[in-house]
Amino acid sequence: AQTIHQWPVAEIKAVGSPLSLGCTIKGKSSPNLYWYWQATGGTLQQLFYSITVGQVESVVQLNLSASRPKDDQFILSTEKLLLSHSGFYLCAWSLGGGGEQYFGPGTRLTVL
Amino acid sequence: QQKVQQSPESLTVSEGAMASLNCTFSDGTSNNFRWYRQHSAKGLEVLVSIFSDGEKEEGRFTAHLNRANLHVSLHIREPQPSDSAVYLCAVRASSGSWQLIFGSGTQLTVMP
Repeated sequence: AQTIHQWPVAEIKAVGSPLSLGCTIKGKSSPNLYWYWQATGGTLQQLFYSITVGQVESVVQLNLSASRPKDDQFILSTEKLLLSHSGFYLCAWSLGGGGEQYFGPGTRLTVL
Repeated sequence: QQKVQQSPESLTVSEGAMASLNCTFSDGTSNNFRWYRQHSAKGLEVLVSIFSDGEKEEGRFTAHLNRANLHVSLHIREPQPSDSAVYLCAVRASSGSWQLIFGSGTQLTVMP
């Protein structure tokens, strides 16, 4: 069975500090991978998607970057956090672009 | 750009009474509509996906799609307190697009 794991579960960081959030999918080969962000009380927005290793497409510009170093791993990062980066980050996978998207448990980020 | 709006913002129903949630979208060329739910800022759980006009049932959850009216609804039969959550409507940005556009959600509370 496929599993999706996100780390860390929660993070409290200072403005201007770096950030790295991770997502791993086990049990599926060559999935499409997605990063989403949800500000507190806000709407869920897709940030990035990747259809293969080393290839990432940006959907929304938020001064964040994403990378896919391995088939089963998706990383979200920035060198300098902003207050506006606070929120809930979700990773998802699908088989193909039109397939059902399955979400991970999420990471709660608080920037102070 | 596809726009998705949900109503009502919040809904309270008694246990066992039917709950009905609404979602309108702006681009009727999309052919991919989903309902998710989210418990207390956790990951998303897919409830039902619908791809053509008409009705699709998954257990106690039924989606109705009418693309001519730019409307998709979710009906929850015999809701229970454990169904209390935020319900999210998601629509493909356009036919063939990789991007999912989410509504802002309906907070459903089921009273015992």
